[in-house]
Amino acid sequence: AQSVTQLGSHVSVSEGALVLLRCNYSSSVPPYLFWYVQYPNQGLQLLLKYTTGATLVKGINGFEAEFKKSETSFHLTKPSAHMSDAAEYFCAVSADPSNYQLIWGAGTKLIIKP
Amino acid sequence: GAVVSQHPSWVICKSGTSVKIECRSLDFQATTMFWYRQFPKQSLMLMATSNEGSKATYEQGVEKDKFLINHASLTLSTLTVTSAHPEDSSFYICSASSGGSYNEQFFGPGTRLTVL
Repeated sequence: AQSVTQLGSHVSVSEGALVLLRCNYSSSVPPYLFWYVQYPNQGLQLLLKYTTGATLVKGINGFEAEFKKSETSFHLTKPSAHMSDAAEYFCAVSADPSNYQLIWGAGTKLIIKP
Repeated sequence: GAVVSQHPSWVICKSGTSVKIECRSLDFQATTMFWYRQFPKQSLMLMATSNEGSKATYEQGVEKDKFLINHASLTLSTLTVTSAHPEDSSFYICSASSGGSYNEQFFGPGTRLTVL
């Protein structure tokens, strides 16, 4: 069965510092991997996704993630944090092409310190 | 493109009443729609998956008679919370998939339900 683990329910960084949100997955088949962001009282917005091809994926708002098959990881990074990045971030995996269900991580709340 | 709307964005109702939440795909045809429930400070919990014209598939532990889902067209799905009680208060989020090969879901902005 597929599963997604996000290390750290809360991550706190200073404005301008590197953001690193960790995501590890388990899947018996090559997965599709997603990062979503949720601002307070809002739905989810897709940040980026990995499907096939280049393992370094660039998304919106300066975020990027690298798919590392050997480490079964898909960590999200941003070189310089901005106050507006404060939100909840969810990693998700889809490994069954027969349906469109996503397996969700528990989420990581990103806190930006001024 | 790929915009999903939900209506209402928030609703307050009395215990025992029913509430209907609409989820619409505005610029694409959604062959599959999903309904999630999110508790405070928690991840999304999938409630059910619906395909247009078919009965919804409910996740284990979700009462199908309590949470009625109708996916009547390729652009509209509704979730009706019947005989709502305070414990049904939550944030309900829908998502839609156009059936593309990458299983991407597009999310609505969510509906905050408060049952008094």
